[in-house]
Amino acid sequence: GDSVTQMEGPVTLSEEAFLTINCTYTATGYPSLFWYVQYPGEGLQLLLKATKADDKGSNKGFEATYRKETTSFHLEKGSVQVSDSAVYFCALRDNSGGAQKLVFGQGTRLTINP
Amino acid sequence: ETGVTQTPRHLVMGMTNKKSLKCEQHLGHNAMYWYKQSAKKPLELMFVYSLEERVENNSVPSRFSPECPNSSHLFLHLHTLQPEDSALYLCASSPGTGGNQPQHFGDGTRLSIL
Repeated sequence: GDSVTQMEGPVTLSEEAFLTINCTYTATGYPSLFWYVQYPGEGLQLLLKATKADDKGSNKGFEATYRKETTSFHLEKGSVQVSDSAVYFCALRDNSGGAQKLVFGQGTRLTINP
Repeated sequence: ETGVTQTPRHLVMGMTNKKSLKCEQHLGHNAMYWYKQSAKKPLELMFVYSLEERVENNSVPSRFSPECPNSSHLFLHLHTLQPEDSALYLCASSPGTGGNQPQHFGDGTRLSIL
C-alpha cells in the first residue's frame, strides 16, 4: 500500500538557519503530494502541494519539489523563524480512481530557538 | 479560521459514557473526514463521507459511530470507549474526494478516557 516516511524529529534549529525535512513516499499510482503544518493547539493547515513530477510547491518561504526519480518531496526553507515552530506532516494522495484518502507521514516536530 | 469548526475542544469521559463530537464546515465542500491523532503515530483516517454517503471506513471499532446528516455537518458518536481511544480527533473537509484537492482541518477535539 501507499506510505510516507519522514525524517525523525524533533528538529531544533536557531533562528535564520536553513531547514530541510526529508520526505520519501511509496505509491502504486501517480500521487499528489502535500505538506501540512500543525501549530500548537490547532488542527492541520495545508502548507503547500505539488500534483505532478517536477512541480515545486511554495508558500511562506517554504518550498518542496516533487521528485519522481527519487520518490521524494523534501521541505526546505532558507531562513527559519521562531514562528515556524510546529509539527510538519508530509502526505500523499493517490489519484487513481475511487475515494482517495490522504496518507500521512508520522510528523516532524520543529523547534526554532531565538 | 479554517472554515471547519469542531466542538467541544476538550472532552473527558468515562468508559461507560456516551458522547458525540461535532464538526461543521462553512466551505461548501462535499466530502468530510474523521482522523485520529495519537502521540507518536501517523494520523489515522477513520471515516470518509462524500455527498453524505460513507465511502470509506478503515476498520474502525464499532464503539465509534459516524453520522453525516448533510454535507455541512459530521458527527462522531462515542460509547463504551477504551483508554487507548484517548487522542486528538480531527475533522476535515474537501471540495470532493479527488486526489488534487487538499483537505481543510478543524482544530480538533482532545478526548481523554478515564
